[in-house]
Amino acid sequence: AQSVTQLDSQVPVFEEAPVELRCNYSSSVSVYLFWYVQYPNQGLQLLLKYLSGSTLVKGINGFEAEFNKSQTSFHLRKPSVHISDTAEYFCAVTLSPGGQNFVFGPGTRLSVLP
Amino acid sequence: DAGVTQSPTHLIKTRGQQVTLRCSPKSGHDTVSWYQQALGQGPQFIFQYYEEEERQRGNFPDRFSGHQFPNYSSELNVNALLLGDSALYLCASSWGGQGETQYFGPGTRLLVL
Repeated sequence: AQSVTQLDSQVPVFEEAPVELRCNYSSSVSVYLFWYVQYPNQGLQLLLKYLSGSTLVKGINGFEAEFNKSQTSFHLRKPSVHISDTAEYFCAVTLSPGGQNFVFGPGTRLSVLP
Repeated sequence: DAGVTQSPTHLIKTRGQQVTLRCSPKSGHDTVSWYQQALGQGPQFIFQYYEEEERQRGNFPDRFSGHQFPNYSSELNVNALLLGDSALYLCASSWGGQGETQYFGPGTRLLVL
């Protein structure tokens, strides 16, 4: 079975600073990887996804992530964060991109400070 | 283009009661998945409906059941509610079961007293 680890439960960072949110997964087979963002009292919004091809994936709002198969990681990065990026970020894996049995990590709370 | 909609937005029930949550998928989508998100945790997969049948199920008891209608909308039913069922219930839709992206609704927050 797949599993997802997000080692940092909270990440505080100053506005305009870079940020990296870490995600590691465990699976014996190839997986598809996703990052979702959840703003307070809202559902999840897709930031980016890795299905195949280039290991560097660019998403919305200036975020990008790099798939590293050897390290089983899919870390999320942004070179300069804004106050509006304050939210909960979830990494997820699935064997089927169609949504069957997505496995989510516990989430990382990103707090952008002025 | 309407996204995924869920109703109601909030709900308060007492232990032992039954609840029904509703979801309308994004236009053009025919697959609906349900997730439970407890406070401070990531969403957990409950089950997925495709072509009006439950196609896959997560590790949830039989108290959790669902239905998909011909118009692709879906219901999640929870019987014999427990305090631990208090959570945000998220619905996500995709296309054909092979869709690359799930779109999530805003969720229904259920409080069991």
